[in-house]
Amino acid sequence: NAGVTQTPKFQVLKTGQSMTLQCAQDMNHNSMYWYRQDPGMGLRLIYYSASEGTTDKGEVPNGYNVSRLNKREFSLRLESAAPSQTSVYFCASSGQMGQEKTYEQYFGPGTRLTVT
Amino acid sequence: AQRVTQPEKLLSVFKGAPVELKCNYSYSGSPELFWYVQYSRQRLQLLLRHISRESIKGFTADLNKGETSFHLKKPFAQEEDSAMYYCALILGFTSRAREGKESNDYKLSFGAGTTVTVRA
Repeated sequence: NAGVTQTPKFQVLKTGQSMTLQCAQDMNHNSMYWYRQDPGMGLRLIYYSASEGTTDKGEVPNGYNVSRLNKREFSLRLESAAPSQTSVYFCASSGQMGQEKTYEQYFGPGTRLTVT
Repeated sequence: AQRVTQPEKLLSVFKGAPVELKCNYSYSGSPELFWYVQYSRQRLQLLLRHISRESIKGFTADLNKGETSFHLKKPFAQEEDSAMYYCALILGFTSRAREGKESNDYKLSFGAGTTVTVRA
């Protein structure tokens, strides 16, 4: 199992450009999450999805949109990139072990995005 | 609103010395807390959770409800413990699917993180 995969690993955008960050998990998890990691701010939740067909805003959703394409995939879109969106983006998933929900989140390797 | 506070951004200790990373939380219900770790060039991973009361890689963390704290401790730090450490708190929520079905789920609220450097 690959776990949680993210593409691309690195990206440089100009202000105003758009792009989509892709995330996929092969652990049959229901829940998926997008975070951004900034120095001194820790990990902040952008959007999350409790199951296929649902998405909810996290702490810092402005400037982002998401799509839960199916159970495996959860993409994050920047419609018009701004320098304030320069960050490292992490995708994560969590699921159940048998009948019990496990609260452990499994993280992807991250995407380092620079907006100039 | 910030639910988890890690007051130290940076912590530097010598190898063999004790290390303690502070974490305080604010939560009205019964909290469930975790410590996650990110080693250099690796992805974030779970280190330990308070409900399992386990010791992982020599680290322990005790939930103190009176002081609303969940500090991470290790009596003898090793160089391989150098990493970024995050304290995290579970927040429950109810999500509604397109068909109108509600489900209870959770998300994590992370602290700002503490970078630990263990010097030889």
